[in-house]
Amino acid sequence: NAGVTQTPKFRILKIGQSMTLQCTQDMNHNYMYWYRQDPGMGLKLIYYSVGAGITDKGEVPNGYNVSRSTTEDFPLRLELAAPSQTSVYFCASRISDRGRTEAFFGQGTRLTVV
Amino acid sequence: AQKITQTQPGMFVQEKEAVTLDCTYDTSDQSYGLFWYKQPSSGEMIFLIYQGSYDEQNATEGRYSLNFQKARKSANLVISASQLGDSAMYFCAMREYGGATNKLIFGTGTLLAVQP
Repeated sequence: NAGVTQTPKFRILKIGQSMTLQCTQDMNHNYMYWYRQDPGMGLKLIYYSVGAGITDKGEVPNGYNVSRSTTEDFPLRLELAAPSQTSVYFCASRISDRGRTEAFFGQGTRLTVV
Repeated sequence: AQKITQTQPGMFVQEKEAVTLDCTYDTSDQSYGLFWYKQPSSGEMIFLIYQGSYDEQNATEGRYSLNFQKARKSANLVISASQLGDSAMYFCAMREYGGATNKLIFGTGTLLAVQP
């Protein structure tokens, strides 16, 4: 059971380059989230999705885009990478029920922009 | 607005002792859930414990318990009998159930170091 899978695990980008961080889950979860975690800090919500075709902005969406064409996949796009986007990125998913429905996290993608 | 505050950037605790990690929250919703996650140095996020706003009893999961004081809007994590493997970052998180936001918001975390 793979859970939430993120690729790549590590990436170095030059300023101005673009890339897509991949996230896929095999648990048939409706809700998916993208977070960034700066060194020594908490997780900041970038974007989230409540189902295929539906996405919404979180706390820090600037510089990012997302899409949700399928239940399984929730890619995060960086169009013009900036040093401020150096961070660890986490994807998470959960089922849609209320209550004790914890989010399951991927292993993270460590991105460095130089 | 939905907000989580963890005021302790770092804490030390002696092995076998209990430790309390503070978490306060702000929400206008009556229905919400509170979560604690552990992040060891390896980086993964591990779910520890959950408390619903309408739960009458404090949640417990093994050595973890949640001291939930709804009127004070606090949800402190208590770890009993600390072990060296408890050394990690700990994050408090909240999800509101009213409305349609479904955001899961995290605090800034507390770094716990367990000393032998």
